[in-house]
Amino acid sequence: GESVGLHLPTLSVQEGDNSIINCAYSNSASDYFIWYKQESGKGPQFIIDIRSNMDKRQGQRVTVLLNKTVKHLSLQIAATQPGDSAVYFCADSFYGKLTFGQGTILTVHP
Amino acid sequence: DAGVTQSPTHLIKTRGQHVTLRCSPISGHKSVSWYQQVLGQGPQFIFQYYEKEERGRGNFPDRFSARQFPNYSSELNVNALLLGDSALYLCASSHTSGSYNEQFFGPGTRLTVL
Repeated sequence: GESVGLHLPTLSVQEGDNSIINCAYSNSASDYFIWYKQESGKGPQFIIDIRSNMDKRQGQRVTVLLNKTVKHLSLQIAATQPGDSAVYFCADSFYGKLTFGQGTILTVHP
Repeated sequence: DAGVTQSPTHLIKTRGQHVTLRCSPISGHKSVSWYQQVLGQGPQFIFQYYEKEERGRGNFPDRFSARQFPNYSSELNVNALLLGDSALYLCASSHTSGSYNEQFFGPGTRLTVL
């Protein structure tokens, strides 16, 4: 896995705004990508996934975009709610081994 | 249905000691993976087991070992604990090994080494 610093990027938004969280991965052989949400004191919770043969996938209020050319993932959250406040991690999978990217702290203000 | 369970929830050890962490996967899941999450960082892969066999190992020293039992539960063992082993240890289960398998995480075991 990558070595990341102790200071996670932060994103602060107002309730109802759309949020975009970005992530870079390094393994060009990875074929499956996942976004996780982690709340304080809990394990990561699956949000949405995408396979490498796709460039966009939509879920309920969330959309993941994959750009394999530049090895970049983004997570879009529509109409962000206070309950969305958490740390968000992207992960890429290679034969089931997940490599997590640097997390982003999302804070949603009412 | 119960999710992934881990025990204990918290543990305090001193340097040089040994620790065993336990994980029970979701019913029907045959693969278990272990991750270490140091404060302020993303989880780092330690091991993956499938059908009681090691299927992958991350960049961790030999002090770290694991095994999977016939009921698919798993143990992570860490010998000769160092201060730097203080972390949240996460277990994740999935139906099989391989890429296209959603991994479900447990709540973790918080290990503090003094």
